[in-house]
Amino acid sequence: SYELTQPPSVSVSPGQTATIPCSGDKLGDRYACWYQQKPGQSPLLVMYRDTKRPSGIPERFSGSNSGNTATLTISGTQALDEADYYCQAWDGSTVEFGGGTKLTVL
Amino acid sequence: QVTLRESGPALVKPTQTLTLTCTFSGFSLTTTAMCVSWVRQPPGKALEWLALIDRDDDKYYNTSLKTRLTISKDTSRNQVVLKMTNMDPVDTATYFCARASKDGYNSYMDVWGKGTTVTVSS
Repeated sequence: SYELTQPPSVSVSPGQTATIPCSGDKLGDRYACWYQQKPGQSPLLVMYRDTKRPSGIPERFSGSNSGNTATLTISGTQALDEADYYCQAWDGSTVEFGGGTKLTVL
Repeated sequence: QVTLRESGPALVKPTQTLTLTCTFSGFSLTTTAMCVSWVRQPPGKALEWLALIDRDDDKYYNTSLKTRLTISKDTSRNQVVLKMTNMDPVDTATYFCARASKDGYNSYMDVWGKGTTVTVSS
């Protein structure tokens, strides 16, 4: 089955840029999306079709996808961005999630 | 406004079959590219996709769990039902349903329910 790999944790200082990678074989040949999940809450879609932000998601969130890696970038990271982030892709028959990355803002 | 709500038993015994219902509003499963997915999350662990059903009644399953899963829809009642057989304590998790969009190699879940917690214990 298709696998997506994320680092378990990423730390960033407030106001700095956080980058969260997601790797998978030829991931750039399909679309990646990203979810933010805070404790006790349902996941929230923050990026889809690699680079598109849903309505209501701040402009500081951006995405890219090329080769084997999709990346979620948060510019000017704020304390409220602290959460778990999951990448996800669809291979035409199954959905795959990455293992999640805990973003710590300190 | 799009909403989804999961319902089902909070507690099931090992070997029993779990039946969960997702009741949604604000969209129709007859719309192009519209789907509903089920996802679960064991306590403290990552999201795990379970199944997806689309407007054409095509069904897609997690490869590792497909022998235990059945997804179905009742378009007239705006409901999607997930059945999982032979429940085990490792299936203890919060189960979410979500509205999904599927188009070629693009699929994402843009609205999620609050989830329902299922504990498997004798």
